[in-house]
Amino acid sequence: KNEVEQSPQNLTAQEGEFITINCSYSVGISALHWLQQHPGGGIVSLFMLSSGKKKHGRLIATINIQEKHSSLHITASHPRDSAVYICAVPNFGNEKLTFGTGTRLTIIP
Amino acid sequence: EPEVTQTPSHQVTQMGQEVILRCVPISNHLYFYWYRQILGQKVEFLVSFYNNEISEKSEIFDDQFSVERPDGSNFTLKIRSTKLEDSAMYFCASNSYSNQPQHFGDGTRLSIL
Repeated sequence: KNEVEQSPQNLTAQEGEFITINCSYSVGISALHWLQQHPGGGIVSLFMLSSGKKKHGRLIATINIQEKHSSLHITASHPRDSAVYICAVPNFGNEKLTFGTGTRLTIIP
Repeated sequence: EPEVTQTPSHQVTQMGQEVILRCVPISNHLYFYWYRQILGQKVEFLVSFYNNEISEKSEIFDDQFSVERPDGSNFTLKIRSTKLEDSAMYFCASNSYSNQPQHFGDGTRLSIL
């Protein structure tokens, strides 16, 4: 069973700051997912990546397969980025997702 | 953009009653999932469904739970006799292939009294 750890659990930053959220997992995977959970509870898929780096707007996700580690970065953070960010990994050989505990991000204007 | 829709958004039920949570996955998707999130805890996998049968289920998904795709569009989760500990947010998700990103619905908040 894959263990997924995220850090930090909570992060408060000023608007404009560069944000980094980390995720590590214990068993090799085919791909890793970054998800955003809105205050109302809905979940949105941000990235699915299996190697290197992906960028979407101000969001950047990186993964190091050898080190079993991924990071999610937010540049020029904005209050609307306030949400819970969750990493999730599939069990090897199938797509059942195991989720991390999430990082609650609060951006202060 | 196509969405996964879930109904109702909030369901309040007496303990011991049956409840059915409904989901309409994205129309051309083939793989369907149910997850749950107890308040303050992480999201947990319940069940995956493909080709009209369960492909995998977790230890949580016991005999009280069942899933069905009664027609070409709906995907339902039934809890036969609800317990207090079934109170949670339940998320439906779908994808076109199992190795593609999953699209999540907004969830149904289930409260058992």
